[in-house]
Amino acid sequence: EAEVAQSPRYKITEKSQAVAFWCDPISGHATLYWYRQILGQGPELLVQFQDESVVDDSQLPKDRFSAERLKGVDSTLKIQPAELGDSAMYLCASSSGGAAQETQYFGPGTRLLVL
Amino acid sequence: GQSLEQPSEVTAVEGAIVQINCTYQTSGFYGLSWYQQHDGGAPTFLSYNALDGLEETGRFSSFLSRSDSYGYLLLQELQMKDSASYFCAVRMDSSYKLIFGSGTRLLVRP
Repeated sequence: EAEVAQSPRYKITEKSQAVAFWCDPISGHATLYWYRQILGQGPELLVQFQDESVVDDSQLPKDRFSAERLKGVDSTLKIQPAELGDSAMYLCASSSGGAAQETQYFGPGTRLLVL
Repeated sequence: GQSLEQPSEVTAVEGAIVQINCTYQTSGFYGLSWYQQHDGGAPTFLSYNALDGLEETGRFSSFLSRSDSYGYLLLQELQMKDSASYFCAVRMDSSYKLIFGSGTRLLVRP
């Protein structure tokens, strides 16, 4: 069964350092989402891509966060510089087109700890 | 702002039935989704309701009342493996982006 791949699974960094997360969606899925999930809360959407275009990045802290999906396939989320409050799980999800688009398939996530 | 309310914790006995409620106040509404997340795991899709009524998928059912801004997830014949967090999520517009609630932690006891 196809899955969303993410790496790394865990990342420990010091504040003010740069970190990057990678996501490879299910093959053929045009829509890709990056979420941040703080322990005990629901996922919060950071950015949504349709192919290589950003559909929504209204909740992305653009002074330190950036996301790209250059060829409309895999995607990278970067934080520079990292802050203590960025410690969270970063989840990537993808969905296909048409009527099935309401189903989002999540990857295993990257757990970030900023010291 | 947007808000979704669901109970923080629910406890039930194996074999029983449990209902997890979700009320929402959002500026737009296309549909209500439910996701399950085990500790340390990724959220997995359970159901999506765009129209009023009950949708059944095996042991799980989901209900929506658009006029009441309310929905629920019904889990029947509870099993130990159903212990997890359950999130309702509103699709607000045509972009398919979701706004998630804070989740309900379900504990199933023997």
